[in-house]
Amino acid sequence: AQSVTQPDIHITVSEGASLELRCNYSYGATPYLFWYVQSPGQGLQLLLKYFSGDTLVQGIKGFEAEFKRSQSSFNLRKPSVHWSDAAEYFCAVGVVGGGNKLTFGTGTQLKVEL
Amino acid sequence: KAGVTQTPRYLIKTRGQQVTLSCSPISGHRSVSWYQQTPGQGLQFLFEYFSETQRNKGNFPGRFSGRQFSNSRSEMNVSTLELGDSALYLCASKPLAGDNEQFFGPGTRLTVL
Repeated sequence: AQSVTQPDIHITVSEGASLELRCNYSYGATPYLFWYVQSPGQGLQLLLKYFSGDTLVQGIKGFEAEFKRSQSSFNLRKPSVHWSDAAEYFCAVGVVGGGNKLTFGTGTQLKVEL
Repeated sequence: KAGVTQTPRYLIKTRGQQVTLSCSPISGHRSVSWYQQTPGQGLQFLFEYFSETQRNKGNFPGRFSGRQFSNSRSEMNVSTLELGDSALYLCASKPLAGDNEQFFGPGTRLTVL
């Protein structure tokens, strides 16, 4: 069965600083990979996704992520964080033939200091 | 185009009761999935429906059930509620059963007292 690890439960960065959120997955084949963001009391919004092809994926709100098969990683990056980016971020994996089932990591809570 | 809508947004029940949550997918979406989100267990997949058929099911007890109607709207039901069922229940819809992203609704916050 697939699994996702987000090793950082909380991260604090200063506004304008760069950001990298880590995500490692465990799956025997190439998975589908996603990053979602959740603001308090809200549902999940998709930031970006990787299905195949170019391993550097661009998303909304200036986010990008890079799929590294050798490291089983899909880290999320942003060059300059804005205060409005404060939220919880979830990495998720889906599998071919697995339908809509996504396996989520435990999330990383991002705090942005002004 | 309207997003995924879930009703009610908040619900308070007592142990032993049952509850039905509703999800209306984005117009044209035929695939609906449900997830449970709790502080302790995180986000967990409950089940998935496509064209009124359950295609996939997570590891939850039989007290959790769902269905999908011909207009793609979906309901999930939890019987004999337990305190541990308190959670945010999220619904997600997708256009087809293939490789594309799911769109999540705002969720229903269920509190069991």
